[in-house]
Amino acid sequence: AQRVTQPEKLLSVFKGAPVELKCNYSYSGSPELFWYVQYSRQRLQLLLRHISRESIKGFTADLNKGETSFHLKKPFAQEEDSAMYYCALTNSGGYQKVTFGTGTKLQVIP
Amino acid sequence: EAGVAQSPRYKIIEKRQSVAFWCNPISGHATLYWYQQILGQGPKLLIQFQNNGVVDDSQLPKDRFSAERLKGVDSTLKIQPAKLEDSAVYLCASSLRLAGTGELFFGEGSRLTVL
Repeated sequence: AQRVTQPEKLLSVFKGAPVELKCNYSYSGSPELFWYVQYSRQRLQLLLRHISRESIKGFTADLNKGETSFHLKKPFAQEEDSAMYYCALTNSGGYQKVTFGTGTKLQVIP
Repeated sequence: EAGVAQSPRYKIIEKRQSVAFWCNPISGHATLYWYQQILGQGPKLLIQFQNNGVVDDSQLPKDRFSAERLKGVDSTLKIQPAKLEDSAVYLCASSLRLAGTGELFFGEGSRLTVL
């Protein structure tokens, strides 16, 4: 079974402070990890995926297979980063089943 | 490119009534997902279609929920009879790829309130 855990329901940081949203996963195979974001009054959308090793809007995430983690980081938070963030996992073979975590609300304080 | 369309956006019903939600995925996307998102929780997969076939419905409460995807395009999710605990946002998503690292594209969701 595949499982995603996001331990923090709410993370409040000041503008300009570093951000780290935690994500741990459980999966017996080789997973693909994603971060999705939902801004206020907008639909859920992909932020980044680990396989691309990209930085989107200043956010990065590194897959740590030893710790089974995929934490999302940004060195300097901006007010526009305030949103719900969901970590997601999909299996690497067969049909794509995507499992989401419970989400962390990021609140950036001006 | 048009996004995933869902309707209705909002629905209020009384318990034991029935409700149906409709989803039209992005053109050409073979995989369609229905997720249930209860307030304060993450999206939970109810059913996944590949074209017009079901590939995963393990978490669909089949005594009251049903879904179909005729002709492999748009899809309908039905709840009959509804319970209070069915109050949630029902999200439809679609993806191009069958497996691997395909991105999910979500609709705006249908918010259901059961009184």
